[in-house]
Amino acid sequence: DIVMTQSPDSLTVSLGERATINCKSSQSVLYSSGNKNYLAWFQQKPGQPPKLLIYWASTRESGVPDRFSGSGSGTDFTLTLSSLQAEDVAVYYCQQYYSPPFTFGPGTKVDIK
Amino acid sequence: QVQLVQSGAEVKKPGASVKVSCKASGYSFTTYYMQWVRQAPGQGLEWMGMINPSGGSTSYTQKFQGRVTMTMDTSTSTVYMELNSLRSEDTAVYYCAKPHSPDRYSSCDFWGQGTLVTVSS
Repeated sequence: DIVMTQSPDSLTVSLGERATINCKSSQSVLYSSGNKNYLAWFQQKPGQPPKLLIYWASTRESGVPDRFSGSGSGTDFTLTLSSLQAEDVAVYYCQQYYSPPFTFGPGTKVDIK
Repeated sequence: QVQLVQSGAEVKKPGASVKVSCKASGYSFTTYYMQWVRQAPGQGLEWMGMINPSGGSTSYTQKFQGRVTMTMDTSTSTVYMELNSLRSEDTAVYYCAKPHSPDRYSSCDFWGQGTLVTVSS
């Protein structure tokens, strides 16, 4: 199975500041023939199901604010919140869908300073 | 619009079975796989497996092999996830989720509301 790790476990950021979350996979999730990274980012708020933010590592889901961006390739990925808003307080998960089981990272909790 | 409506909360005793349903609407049911993910209280997300509603083929996480069965009823656009030999560690919210692409390998853009399964003696 592909093991996903995230860092940091949690972070506290001031409103309007940048938040950066890292995700690493134990093996590459880049499908070279299509040049696509099978990596997604989710946001989860208490009592709610996860919400898809980013897929193919950097494609923003429809309706997701452009302050959310994804980058990276191969085994190393980053989710950036360019200007933290109060409504962004949540836990963020990365997930690989390159190979079943489609494993998730352990999550990063983002809070307001 | 796409909707995934799951069955209600369940309380089960250790050793029992639970069957959670997920009724889909607003899209072509047989075109998209359905994935199942669970989340224990205060914990992260755990991918359980998926079913192809077109034909019924399944893929399960090794951890659940032999204990989980995913089925579907195309006449009602409903998928089911049955988990047997329940233990306290199976206490979790169980989600069904629809991938955003008909491809087998896809992330999920629509999720059910979740079904809390509590295993307690």
